Amino acid sequence: AQSVTQPDIHITVSEGASLELRCNYSYGATPYLFWYVQSPGQGLQLLLKYFSGDTLVQGIKGFEAEFKRSQSSFNLRKPSVHWSDAAEYFCAVGARGSGDKLTFGTGTRLAVRP
Amino acid sequence: GAVVSQHPSRVICKSGTSVKIECRSLDFQATTMFWYRQFPKQSLMLMATSNEGSKATYEQGVEKDKFLINHASLTLSTLTVTSAHPEDSSFYICSANLKGGAGQANTGELFFGEGSRLTVL
Repeated sequence: AQSVTQPDIHITVSEGASLELRCNYSYGATPYLFWYVQSPGQGLQLLLKYFSGDTLVQGIKGFEAEFKRSQSSFNLRKPSVHWSDAAEYFCAVGARGSGDKLTFGTGTRLAVRP
Repeated sequence: GAVVSQHPSRVICKSGTSVKIECRSLDFQATTMFWYRQFPKQSLMLMATSNEGSKATYEQGVEKDKFLINHASLTLSTLTVTSAHPEDSSFYICSANLKGGAGQANTGELFFGEGSRLTVL
């Protein structure tokens, strides 16, 4: 079975600073990988996804993530954080052929300092 | 993009009553929908997979008689929390897979509803 680890529970960065949120997964083959963002009391919005091909994927809102098979990682990055980026971020892994069931990490709460 | 809508967004009920939450795919058909539960400040836990026209598939540890799922059409799945108790209070989120069709996203992309916060008194 697949699993996801997000080592950082809370992260605080200054507005304009760069951001990297860590995600490590466990899965026996090449997984589907996702990053979602959740604002308080809201559902989830997909930021980006990796299925195959180029390991550096671009998403919405200026986010990108890089799939590193050797490190079993899929870290999310943004070069310059905006105050509106403050939210909860979830990394998720889907197993190919599992019928699109996703396993989510525990989430990283991002706070942005003015 | 594809839109998934949940209703109600918030519901408060008395212990022992049943509550129904609807999940609709507004601009696409979804043969499969997923129901998640999220406890405060925690991640999403998959409860069950809702299949149009057939029985739902429940994850281990989820009581199927407690959480009734009906997927009667390609655009609607419902979750009914029966005889609700305070420990059932949670944030319930549905998602639907967008597959096929011209200009549609790839297999494996899920779209999530806004969530429904249930409070059982």
